[in-house]
Amino acid sequence: KAGVTQTPRYLIKTRGQQVTLSCSPISGHRSVSWYQQTPGQGLQFLFEYFSETQRNKGNFPGRFSGRQFSNSRSEMNVSTLELGDSALYLCASSLKSQGTGTTEAFFGQGTRLTVV
Amino acid sequence: DAKTTQPTSMDCAEGRAANLPCNHSTISGNEYVYWYRQIHSQGPQYIIHGLKNNETNEMASLIITEDRKSSTLILPHATLRDTAVYYCIVRVAHNNNDMRFGAGTRLTVKP
Repeated sequence: KAGVTQTPRYLIKTRGQQVTLSCSPISGHRSVSWYQQTPGQGLQFLFEYFSETQRNKGNFPGRFSGRQFSNSRSEMNVSTLELGDSALYLCASSLKSQGTGTTEAFFGQGTRLTVV
Repeated sequence: DAKTTQPTSMDCAEGRAANLPCNHSTISGNEYVYWYRQIHSQGPQYIIHGLKNNETNEMASLIITEDRKSSTLILPHATLRDTAVYYCIVRVAHNNNDMRFGAGTRLTVKP
């Protein structure tokens, strides 16, 4: 079974530009979450999508947005890029089941975004 | 979600057991303890999780104290490939993936 796939792996953008990152979850997984990882702030939760609906959102400005498609693939967009947006952006998918208990999240390799 | 406290770094000799502690003194009754690890520049990898009983899988064992205020991840025979940052996370059991990662423990396995 293929893992979580994120594209592109590396990206260089200029301040003020916008960027779109893509995430394909594991087949059958309906929940997709996004995280930002920087040396200073560590891993921080951005948002989670399930069945094309945003279910949860972290403490990030409105420049960060996302969406999920009917096939569970997800994209995140960052507009008006700032130098501080340089980070590793990670996507995680999970098999969201009903009832009690939790399911583990599987992470992709991430997209390393550099803003110059 | 409850806050966790982990040592910043630890060393372990190759072939020996690595015991990584985590304090989560404010954990709630419905919060699970999860462990992930992140090898340099890769995405975090799920290791194990538990609620109150000790758990074991092919990667590791998880020992949770009776009061659930702390836990220990045990890698029984550490190898050089286990060098990574290990994150202990507590999560409410409602299937969301809003995980609050702390700084984790940087484990270095030495030959």
